[in-house]
Amino acid sequence: SAVISQKPSRDICQRGTSLTIQCQVDSQVTMMFWYRQQPGQSLTLIATANQGSEATYESGFVIDKFPISRPNLTFSTLTVSNMSPEDSSIYLCSVEEGPQETQYFGPGTRLLVL
Amino acid sequence: RKEVEQDPGPFNVPEGATVAFNCTYSNSASQSFFWYRQDCRKEPKLLMSVYSSGNEDGRFTAQLNRASQYISLLIRDSKLSDSATYLCVVTRGGFKTIFGAGTRLFVKA
Repeated sequence: SAVISQKPSRDICQRGTSLTIQCQVDSQVTMMFWYRQQPGQSLTLIATANQGSEATYESGFVIDKFPISRPNLTFSTLTVSNMSPEDSSIYLCSVEEGPQETQYFGPGTRLLVL
Repeated sequence: RKEVEQDPGPFNVPEGATVAFNCTYSNSASQSFFWYRQDCRKEPKLLMSVYSSGNEDGRFTAQLNRASQYISLLIRDSKLSDSATYLCVVTRGGFKTIFGAGTRLFVKA
C-alpha cells in the first residue's frame, strides 16, 4: 500500500490564524482525500482533491475555510483558515487503492486551537 | 439515521475471550466493506476487507450479509493488543466512503 506522510504532526495555534497541512504520497495517485476526526468522533470527509482541478467539498465545508491545493499527483495541502477552537481536531489525508477503493491514511495532524 | 451504524461499546472482555461486533448499513447500493482498526491517537488502519462468502485472517473472521445489510467482525482468543476502536467502513463507489463511529474494545488481563 501507499506510504503517506503528513506535516506537521501536531500544532497549537492561536484563534484567527491559519495552518497549512502537507500530505505526501510515495506513489502517484489520482484522488487524495482530507478528513477531520474530532475527539471521540468518527471520520468526516472534508473534500476530495483531484490533481488539475478544483477540490470537491462535502456539505458543511467550504473552500474559503479549507482551501486545498493539489499541484501534482503525489502531494496536497489543506489550509485551516481563520481558526477557532472548534477547529481543534485531527486532520487526516488518505488515498484509495485497488478495485475495492480501499483507503489508506497518513498519520494525521493534531491541531489544538486556543 | 446514520448510513453506517455501530454499537459504540465499550466492550470490556478478558484475555482469551471471543467478542463480536456488528455493523449495519442503510444504502443497498453499497459495494465494498471493510473493518479498520484505530489505536488511540493514531490513524485508522485496514484490518480486513469483508466478502459475502466470509473471510478469516488468523483470529479475525468477517462476515457480510447483503440481504440484511449488516457486517460482523469476530475476534477469537482476544489479546491485550486487540484493545482499540474498530471502524466499520462502507463504500458506495464514486470515491464515496462512509465510516462508522467505531466500537471500542478493551481487553483486560
